[in-house]
Amino acid sequence: EAGVTQSPTHLIKTRGQQVTLRCSPISGHTSVYWYQQALGLGLQFLLWYDEGEERNRGNFPPRFSGRQFPNYSSELNVNALELEDSALYLCASSLIPLLPLSSYNEQFFGPGTRLTVL
Amino acid sequence: AQSVAQPEDQVNVAEGNPLTVKCTYSVSGNPYLFWYVQYPNRGLQFLLKYITGDNLVKGSYGFEAEFNKSQTSFHLKKPSALVSDSALYFCAVRANSGYSTLTFGKGTMLLVSP
Repeated sequence: EAGVTQSPTHLIKTRGQQVTLRCSPISGHTSVYWYQQALGLGLQFLLWYDEGEERNRGNFPPRFSGRQFPNYSSELNVNALELEDSALYLCASSLIPLLPLSSYNEQFFGPGTRLTVL
Repeated sequence: AQSVAQPEDQVNVAEGNPLTVKCTYSVSGNPYLFWYVQYPNRGLQFLLKYITGDNLVKGSYGFEAEFNKSQTSFHLKKPSALVSDSALYFCAVRANSGYSTLTFGKGTMLLVSP
């Protein structure tokens, strides 16, 4: 079974530009999550999509946005890039999140997209 | 708001010795707790989770973790460390309600020396 895939692997942009990152979840997974992993800051939650709807959003400015397509793949868009946006962007997927209290499906992560903003 | 603290930026242990990576959490209600591992230039790999039941949880690669509700801790342990265990380890917590999200700690680098 194929895991979570992300494209591109690496990306170099200049300040002020816009970027789109892509993620394909594991087959059968309906939830897609986006995280930012900046040096020294750990993983910061960005966005959560499930069944095409945005379910939750982290503490990031509106220039970070995304969407989920009918096939459950997802895009993360970042407008007006700033130097501090340089980070590894990780996508994860899971089965439907609303389960009985005795269970919760863990998230499976892709390899990430390394974004460098110059 | 929920939070995770991993008090050690780095843990050093000799191969063959037991290892512990510490994690404490804060969340409303009963927690869902997770450990993930990240190897260089890779995404995160799931190690184990605590949802309910037995406080000692066994996971991948010989790792285990003990849930301690009174101390709000979920320390990761392994009886005998391997050099190949050297990696970045993340603890994460989620409340067991609605569209609650995962909150990760800042990570602990584990270095196992030969």
